[in-house]
Amino acid sequence: EPEVTQTPSHQVTQMGQEVILRCVPISNHLYFYWYRQILGQKVEFLVSFYNNEISEKSEIFDDQFSVERPDGSNFTLKIRSTKLEDSAMYFCACRGKGTDTQYFGPGTRLTVL
Amino acid sequence: AQKVTQAQTEISVVEKEDVTLDCVYETRDTTYYLFWYKQPPSGELVFLIRRNSFDEQNEISGRYSWNFQKSTSSFNFTITASQVVDSAVYFCALSEPYTGTASKLTFGTGTRLQVTL
Repeated sequence: EPEVTQTPSHQVTQMGQEVILRCVPISNHLYFYWYRQILGQKVEFLVSFYNNEISEKSEIFDDQFSVERPDGSNFTLKIRSTKLEDSAMYFCACRGKGTDTQYFGPGTRLTVL
Repeated sequence: AQKVTQAQTEISVVEKEDVTLDCVYETRDTTYYLFWYKQPPSGELVFLIRRNSFDEQNEISGRYSWNFQKSTSSFNFTITASQVVDSAVYFCALSEPYTGTASKLTFGTGTRLQVTL
């Protein structure tokens, strides 16, 4: 069964550094999402992406965040200058055309020191 | 704005007991989708079920069953004869209708289920 993959599984970085989280969505899916989950809290929507542009973003997704689909298979989330409060699990998700279920990757745990 | 409430933060049961996880939602949309996801200790989010707002038929899948009641805006999830492997955090989520653009999921705060021997 096709699945969403994410790399790395765990990223440790220093405050102020840039990080790029990578996702490989299911191959024929067209809608892509990033969510985050601060430890012990609920899953929160960050951004959705379709047809090579952002469809919607939350208030969390400020100018420090950006997304890209650089090569038709990868979907990346970049945080330009990480803050302590960016420490969280980041989930990538995708959805196929004409379907209504989002499938999630295993997540990347980001730790900002 | 959409909202999902899972009032039960943590439930502990003994194996073989039945357990129901509650979910109440708010939305102004007449068309929407509801989901349950499971998050085991390993951390991934596993899709369990989705329901669209037109379909109030309850569903049973093995030991899992779901009770969708539009009149009370509830979408409850029951595990029959619980097992230790059911121990996880369970999230209820609500989605806007898919109108051609990507629509986000709004999650509840989750219910941690602990099943012991």
